[in-house]
Amino acid sequence: EVQLVESGGGLVQPGGSLRLSCAASGFTFSNYWMYWVRQAPGKGLEWVANINQDGSLEKYVDSVKGRFTISRDNVKNSLFLQMSSLRVDDTGVFYCARGYGGYATFDNWGQGTLVTVSS
Amino acid sequence: DIQMTQSPSSLSASVGDRVTISCRASQGVRNSLAWFQQKPGKAPKSLMHSASNLHIGVPSKFSGSGYGTDFTLTISSLQPEDSATYYCQQYASYPLTFGGGTKVEIK
Repeated sequence: EVQLVESGGGLVQPGGSLRLSCAASGFTFSNYWMYWVRQAPGKGLEWVANINQDGSLEKYVDSVKGRFTISRDNVKNSLFLQMSSLRVDDTGVFYCARGYGGYATFDNWGQGTLVTVSS
Repeated sequence: DIQMTQSPSSLSASVGDRVTISCRASQGVRNSLAWFQQKPGKAPKSLMHSASNLHIGVPSKFSGSGYGTDFTLTISSLQPEDSATYYCQQYASYPLTFGGGTKVEIK
C-alpha cells in the first residue's frame, strides 16, 4: 500500500524557515516524480513544486521561487521542502503527492501538514 | 499561465441524481486534465487523469469527458458519500493549475 506521511509543519514567524518532510513507503520511491501541493485555509489547491526521479530537475510556482527548495533522498525514501523567508500568505496545509506515470499529475496523496506563518 | 474555471461553484442535488461539473481552460490543454475529490478535513483523492481515465479503485459512477478547453465530470447517481469538493487540474504546461473547486452537497 502506498503511504505518504508528511511532517515538519508548525507555527513560524514571518521571515522564518521551516523544513517539511514526506516519508514514502509501499512503492519504489526512486521511480516517481514527487510533488508538493498546498491549500490555504478555506481555499483551493495550489501546486508548489515538483522534482524528478533522480533529483536533477525541479520546478516551482513563481510565488515560491528563490524561497523554497524541493529535494529528495532516494536512499531514505523521503521528500523534502525547505521553506525560507516565509510569508503570512504561505499559511496552509502542505500535501506531498506522488506523480502519476509520465504525466504532471498525481495519484496518491499524504494526509498533509499544517504550516502557520504568523507573528 | 492557464486559468481553470469551474462551474458551478456549488450545487445541491438529491440522492440518485445525475450531477455534472464543468471545467474550462483559458487555453487548450489537449486531454491533460485531472479530477480530484476532497472531503472536509481530508486530503484530496485522485479520481481520474487524461480527462476520462479513472484511477484504479475509483467507482465507475464517475466519468469524465472533454478535450481542449472544455471538460466535464459526471457522477451518474449521486450518493451521500459523494458529498465533497471537486477540483480539476491541467497539466499541459507549467505552472500546473487547479480550478477553484465545486462543492457538491446532498439535498
